[in-house]
Amino acid sequence: QSVLTQSPSVSAAPGQRVTISCSGGNSNIGNNYVSWYQHLPGTVPKLLIYDNSKRPSGIPDRFSGSRSGTSATLGITGLQTGDEADYYCATYDGSLSGVVFGGGTKLTVL
Amino acid sequence: QVQLVQSGAEVKKPGASVKISCKTSGYTFTKYYIHWVRQAPGQGLEWMGVVNPSDDTTKYAEKFQGRITFTTDTSSNTVSMELSSLGSEDAAVYSCARDLVGRWLQLGPFDYWGQGTLLTVSS
Repeated sequence: QSVLTQSPSVSAAPGQRVTISCSGGNSNIGNNYVSWYQHLPGTVPKLLIYDNSKRPSGIPDRFSGSRSGTSATLGITGLQTGDEADYYCATYDGSLSGVVFGGGTKLTVL
Repeated sequence: QVQLVQSGAEVKKPGASVKISCKTSGYTFTKYYIHWVRQAPGQGLEWMGVVNPSDDTTKYAEKFQGRITFTTDTSSNTVSMELSSLGSEDAAVYSCARDLVGRWLQLGPFDYWGQGTLLTVSS
């Protein structure tokens, strides 16, 4: 059972927009920065968003992040088949004194 | 370029210990924390802990307290993770990852990752 809650799966058509949500509490998302990772099978996770909404160099602006209260959202526009992957949210949890991940959301691009 | 290169796959018996190394290059070793994250088959990512190579300060996830140890070697820019009293539930891919920002009271995010090391636990 993950500390952060994500929907197990989401799907959308190529070119469409999708949002992936991540729900937590005051000890984690509510008071700490959220990051998002893309994980394709057989590869290492890739950092997409950090500090709630910042994109590392090289990440296209099709990916966006936001945080409101104890929830965070990853948005992906202009979906491509190459975006099919597992997406994880993560943040620091002050009560646990460590990093917590969401359970992951599998994105299918139909 | 930044690289984190891990040691190879391991097969261990229940009750044994495993030590996995993560050799870093392409940046100043002591300026970035290194985390360890694992993923069991069919499961999500699980944070195990972090080490600050500048002073060897560590923070371990409560779940692993007492059976996990991180060590650093500044001469080879390598971080190692040792996990003892292995059980079948420890079978997973173990990865090291670099902390982008370096905030000890707000750890993460992870910008570079090792390639992962598969641990099999079997009698």
